[in-house]
Amino acid sequence: AQTVTQSQPEMSVQEAETVTLSCTYDTSENNYYLFWYKQPPSRQMILVIRQEAYKQQNATENRFSVNFQKAAKSFSLKISDSQLGDTAMYFCASTGNQFYFGTGTSLTVIP
Amino acid sequence: DAGVIQSPRHEVTEMGQEVTLRCKPISGHNSLFWYRQTMMRGLELLIYFNNNVPIDDSGMPEDRFSAKMPNASFSTLKIQPSEPRDSAVYFCASSTTNYNEQFFGPGTRLTVL
Repeated sequence: AQTVTQSQPEMSVQEAETVTLSCTYDTSENNYYLFWYKQPPSRQMILVIRQEAYKQQNATENRFSVNFQKAAKSFSLKISDSQLGDTAMYFCASTGNQFYFGTGTSLTVIP
Repeated sequence: DAGVIQSPRHEVTEMGQEVTLRCKPISGHNSLFWYRQTMMRGLELLIYFNNNVPIDDSGMPEDRFSAKMPNASFSTLKIQPSEPRDSAVYFCASSTTNYNEQFFGPGTRLTVL
């Protein structure tokens, strides 16, 4: 079965610092997509960034970037210049024959 | 675009009552997903539809749960009879295909007393 693992249940970071959230996945698919979602206290699920597995270049969206290591099946999220509004639960997800979510990492940005 | 619309946003009901949750996906999206989120079990996929057809309902917990998608712009998730352990936040999401990013609705917080 396809799995997505987030090994850090909770993390914290000082405002303006950089933090990296880890994610590993397991899939037998050749074509798949990877995603990071953010769920703030409002509980709305918001797409942060996506990565197509066939692309070698790491995706970047403003302060958010990924380190995609396809051979290692690793997909970490780096948040630069952390802001208070980044406080949220972050979910890693992958697609195969269906959508798989990790268990989430709760990130707290400390003023 | 208004995004994925769910109603109601909050529902409080008593054990044994029927509960119907509603979802309007983003226009043009062909895949629709129902999820349940709890502290204990995290985010669980209940069922998903492609082109209004249920593809995988293996996540539906019991026969008390049923989902329909009568047309491309509307889906329901029904619980009958409801039980306290059904208390959770239920999300609907839609996407262009089941491989692409999903856009989530605001969720329905269900409390069964």
